[in-house]
Parts: sequence; C-alpha cells; structure tokens
Amino acid sequence: GQQVMQIPQYQHVQEGEDFTTYCNSSTTLSNIQWYKQRPGGHPVFLIQLVKSGEVKKQKRLTFQFGEAKKNSSLHITATQTTDVGTYFCAGCNFGNEKLTFGTGTRLTIIP
Amino acid sequence: DAGVIQSPRHEVTEMGQEVTLRCKPISGHNSLFWYRQTMMRGLELLIYFNNNVPIDDSGMPEDRFSAKMPNASFSTLKIQPSEPRDSAVYFCASSSLGPYGYTFGSGTRLTVV
Repeated sequence: GQQVMQIPQYQHVQEGEDFTTYCNSSTTLSNIQWYKQRPGGHPVFLIQLVKSGEVKKQKRLTFQFGEAKKNSSLHITATQTTDVGTYFCAGCNFGNEKLTFGTGTRLTIIP
Repeated sequence: DAGVIQSPRHEVTEMGQEVTLRCKPISGHNSLFWYRQTMMRGLELLIYFNNNVPIDDSGMPEDRFSAKMPNASFSTLKIQPSEPRDSAVYFCASSSLGPYGYTFGSGTRLTVV
C-alpha cells in the first residue's frame, strides 16, 4: 500500500532559526495536505497543494509540492515558540479522498 | 459551528469489555473518517464514510472493530471485546469537497487495562 515518509523524525532548533521537514510518497499523489498537531492536541489543517511544482506561503511558512507530485516540503523561517508541535504531511491518491498521513516531524524550540 | 465533537474524551476500560466511541461531524460535511494514533504506528485510517455509506474499511484491524454511521450527524466506532493493544487516541474527522482539508475532533484517549 501507499507509504508516506517524513524526515527528520525530530528537530530541535533555537528560537529564530529556520526549520524544514521533507515528505516523500511511494506513489504519485493527486494532492498533498499539511497538518500541525500541538502536544496533546489534534491535527489541524494548514494547507493543500494540488499542482506540480506548486509553492504556497502562509506568513513564515512556505510549502512546496514536487514536480513529480511525489514529494513535498514545509519550511518555517525564524521559528517561534508557537511553532512547537508535530507537522504531518498527508497524501491523497487519485480517485479517492482518503488521506495517508506521513510519519510526522516533531519540532521543539529552545528559547 | 462547534466543530467535530467526539465523546468521551477519555475512556479507561478492562480487557474484554465493549467500548463505543462517538462522533458528531460538522454539519454539511459529507465525508467522515476514523483514525487511530499511537506512537508506534502514527496516524492510521481505520474506515471512512461518504454520505453515510462505508467506502473503505481496509484499515479496520480485526473483526473486533466495527463502525456505523446511521445518519449524517452521528457515527460510532465499537470495539468488542477490547484488548490492551487497542489503547490509543482515536480521532474522528470530517470533510467536504474542496481544498479545506479534514477537520479533526479532539479525540478519545482509550486505555484498556
């Protein structure tokens, strides 16, 4: 079945440093979504990417979808303590709407 | 809208007991999903419904697990009999067509002792 892997599994950064997480799917995706889960919380939808090579920005967050629609990345510029949490990518295959979640990257911030 | 509502928030039960988890999706959302989250296996899709009809239950681990959606505003996930390895956080999520993603409930933390 479809697998979605993320690296790194954990990332500790100093406040103000940048952070990037990478997502790779074993199959070509129709779209990819990103979610953030705070400690003890539930996943919260951040964004959806659909087009090959698409880049979207939300303030300090930049999301990219690869040309082959099999990989994606999330980059956070100048991290803040509010960015703490686990970031998941989730891939959707063509023809159905179920999401396969990646393994997640847990971000911790050193103040 | 109050979002996706799950109950109970926490459940502690003894091995062998029946457990029922409940979910009320967002009004107007036509798809509902049940996920299980553990440290070892991450977020796993158990089953999803579209317009109250089960579409894919390939993630349901065993016959001990069953899910129903009798109407557009209610779904249940039942485990009978429960086992310690079923301990996890169970999330319900709903969605509608469009680039809006899933809306997750707060989850039910199940502990089977």
